[in-house]
Amino acid sequence: GAVVSQHPSRVICKSGTSVKIECRSLDFQATTMFWYRQFPKQSLMLMATSNEGSKATYEQGVEKDKFLINHASLTLSTLTVTSAHPEDSSFYICSARGLAGTSTDTQYFGPGTRLTVL
Amino acid sequence: AQSVAQPEDQVNVAEGNPLTVKCTYSVSGNPYLFWYVQYPNRGLQFLLKYITGDNLVKGSYGFEAEFNKSQTSFHLKKPSALVSDSALYFCAVRDGSGGSYIPTFGRGTSLIVHP
Repeated sequence: GAVVSQHPSRVICKSGTSVKIECRSLDFQATTMFWYRQFPKQSLMLMATSNEGSKATYEQGVEKDKFLINHASLTLSTLTVTSAHPEDSSFYICSARGLAGTSTDTQYFGPGTRLTVL
Repeated sequence: AQSVAQPEDQVNVAEGNPLTVKCTYSVSGNPYLFWYVQYPNRGLQFLLKYITGDNLVKGSYGFEAEFNKSQTSFHLKKPSALVSDSALYFCAVRDGSGGSYIPTFGRGTSLIVHP
């Protein structure tokens, strides 16, 4: 149980285009979803946290207009990188947390999306 | 405030030998502690967690971790390492006393198991 999927796993796009990444909790309801960015050989950098039906909370230094996050349902969150540039190339990982006090009250991670902006 | 320290960037161990990956933490309330493993170009996989109860927590793939409150540590261990255990390991902590529900991750420790 507690599987999180991410789509696509890999995307290459041209500079200036927008890219949408989907994150789904497959067998549990995710009250909270997290989006991370990871640079090579580095730890996870939390970008934003979102609760279903409400606006995402962005970490300091993360541009909310560039990284649009939507958490429309208890099983789906999307991250849209708008007007992507080469410096946005990175590994993006989502994470989902179930209901507090239940067996899914732990962060479960998706497999990640490798974004390359040319 | 909460923080995690993984003092070793890399741990090398021979296959069949016991392994330890170190983690120390700081949190103002009750610590909820987690270990995750990441294989190349993959997301993080949950290994185990400590919330309450026995200090020795058993997790996936034969891993275990020992919660030591006096030393504020939560070291990951395995009695006999496999080459397939080679990966990046992350320790995380969050405040279980009603503080931030967002865990803080360590910078990761690369485990290399030699044949």
